[in-house]
Amino acid sequence: KQEVTQIPAALSVPEGENLVLNCSFTDSAIYNLQWFRQDPGKGLTSLLLIQSSQREQTSGRLNASLDKSSGRSTLYIAASQPGDSATYLCAVTPSGSARQLTFGSGTQLTVLP
Amino acid sequence: NAGVTQTPKFRILKIGQSMTLQCTQDMNHNYMYWYRQDPGMGLKLIYYSVGAGITDKGEVPNGYNVSRSTTEDFPLRLELAAPSQTSVYFCASSTGLNTGELFFGEGSRLTVL
Repeated sequence: KQEVTQIPAALSVPEGENLVLNCSFTDSAIYNLQWFRQDPGKGLTSLLLIQSSQREQTSGRLNASLDKSSGRSTLYIAASQPGDSATYLCAVTPSGSARQLTFGSGTQLTVLP
Repeated sequence: NAGVTQTPKFRILKIGQSMTLQCTQDMNHNYMYWYRQDPGMGLKLIYYSVGAGITDKGEVPNGYNVSRSTTEDFPLRLELAAPSQTSVYFCASSTGLNTGELFFGEGSRLTVL
């Protein structure tokens, strides 16, 4: 059974720092991996989607990488801002027909002004 | 463009009561999902649908039922509510079965006392 782990559970950084959030998964047979942002009391917003054949995706100050062989993905946030404060979740879609996402429990990020 | 709309946002139920969480999407997506999120945990799939008239169980379907009579609507019914069903429920939709971006509603917070 696929397991997705995100460490640390919480992270606090000063504004302007570059930071990396980690996501690890146990089964490398994945179709894609997604990073989501969740603001308090809100739903999830998709940030980046990496297909299994890709190594990374970029959107603005965000860069997500994928290393299937090691079962790892990282989300890099450049020049962090207080508005980046949120919980970041990763989710993997397995290969095959089932295709049910498995979510990590998230990293709660606080960017201090 | 409303996206995915869930109602109600908050609800308190007594043990044994029943209720329906409503979900509507206006993006003409074939694929819709119900997830639950418990504190500090990732999301777990309850039920999903690949189109009108077709539904299937996810990871945690016990105690719930769904129907999909139209492309737009995917209600989730709780029968005989139990304290273990206290959670935040999210509805989502996508163009492919977990192959593309997922769009989430803002969630319905349910408390069973």
